[in-house]
Amino acid sequence: DIQMTQSPSSLSASVGDRVTVTCRSSQSIANFLNWYHQKPGEAPKLLIYGASTLQSGAPSRFSGSGSGTEFSLTISSLQPEDFATYYCQQSYSNPFTFGPGTKVDIK
Amino acid sequence: EVRLKQSGAEVKKPGESLQISCQTSGYNFNNNWLAWVRQLPGKGPEWMGIIYPDDSDTRYSPSFQGQVTISADKSVSTAYLRWSSLKVSDTAMYYCARRHTIVTWEVLDSWGQGTLVTVSS
Repeated sequence: DIQMTQSPSSLSASVGDRVTVTCRSSQSIANFLNWYHQKPGEAPKLLIYGASTLQSGAPSRFSGSGSGTEFSLTISSLQPEDFATYYCQQSYSNPFTFGPGTKVDIK
Repeated sequence: EVRLKQSGAEVKKPGESLQISCQTSGYNFNNNWLAWVRQLPGKGPEWMGIIYPDDSDTRYSPSFQGQVTISADKSVSTAYLRWSSLKVSDTAMYYCARRHTIVTWEVLDSWGQGTLVTVSS
């Protein structure tokens, strides 16, 4: 299985801050990388696929980049509804493994 | 509108069997892969396996092979996740999700609300 890691595991930020989360894969996955966010009590929700393509309906303050083994998710100006946990997932090979998550909370 | 509705929370004892369900609507159930995902308390999601309802082709993650059974009933557009003998360590939230292809990328674009399974003696 391809192993996914994320850093940091958690971060505290304020509304309006620029926030970046990093995801790494144990082997190259080209750009087969998805990002999801999850709020407490809810299912994960797709944000970005193909490492950098915004899912329909996702706010434009979210962006993704990277290829190979290193990826990042950036929120350009953190909004109150963005406080959540963010997961990366590789879709290069089965099983489509997830990262352990980065929890973004209020400073 | 794509909808995935999961069965309700379950409380079971170790050794008991259990089947939870994921009833779908709003899309072609037969021709879309459907995944099951486990989430332990405070942890990231884990890919358990996936089924293609039209021919019941099922692929399990090695970690879950032999531990659960995934099935589907095309007549009611519903997928199932079954345990024959539950363990305390199976306590978790379980999600079903539709796997969808966008160009060449596979995503889980629609999710059920989750089924909480608690196994305790």
